[in-house]
Amino acid sequence: SQKIEQNSEALNIQEGKTATLTCNYTNYSPAYLQWYRQDPGRGPVFLLLIRENEKEKRKERLKVTFDTTLKQSLFHITASQPADSATYLCAFRGSTLGRLYFGRGTQLTVWP
Amino acid sequence: DADVTQTPRNRITKTGKRIMLECSQTKGHDRMYWYRQDPGLGLRLIYYSFDVKDINKGEISDGYSVSRQAQAKFSLSLESAIPNQTALYFCATSGAGTGNSNEQFFGPGTRLTVL
Repeated sequence: SQKIEQNSEALNIQEGKTATLTCNYTNYSPAYLQWYRQDPGRGPVFLLLIRENEKEKRKERLKVTFDTTLKQSLFHITASQPADSATYLCAFRGSTLGRLYFGRGTQLTVWP
Repeated sequence: DADVTQTPRNRITKTGKRIMLECSQTKGHDRMYWYRQDPGLGLRLIYYSFDVKDINKGEISDGYSVSRQAQAKFSLSLESAIPNQTALYFCATSGAGTGNSNEQFFGPGTRLTVL
């Protein structure tokens, strides 16, 4: 079955450092991957999408890479700030159009 | 005003009770989804609907039913609530076009506790 994994449940880093979160998928070759941010008690909010023919995508301090050989996406936050503390979810579209499969998320804590 | 709203935001109920969670959206999207989120398990899809006449089961539909009353409204029902249905429930919508394909917009969630 199609499966998506986020390797770390939690990541703690110091303010100013770069946070790198990992998302791996198996048994499928998605056309694109998405990343979402979720704050406690709130719904996820879309951040970035990267397609299979794009190796890298940037938005302000965010960067996403997509390696179809490794079946992996990396999500980077540069110059991290305490306000970046949240849970980050990756998701891919499976074989059913419109349906997303979500990873369990990585809880990022940025300490001053 | 919020684009995707859910009511109620919090609900405590007893085992065996029927309960309905409601979702409304003003985004004009055809596609709507219901997820539940449990600690350590992430988001799991319960049901989804691609238009008013289309209803599909997700990964964990047992014990749940849905109704798509209109393009803008999608309700989730628990016919006979049980304690392991205690969770955070999210409604989401998405458009059918290209661009940020299938970017989903989530509601604020309903925290359901079944005693």
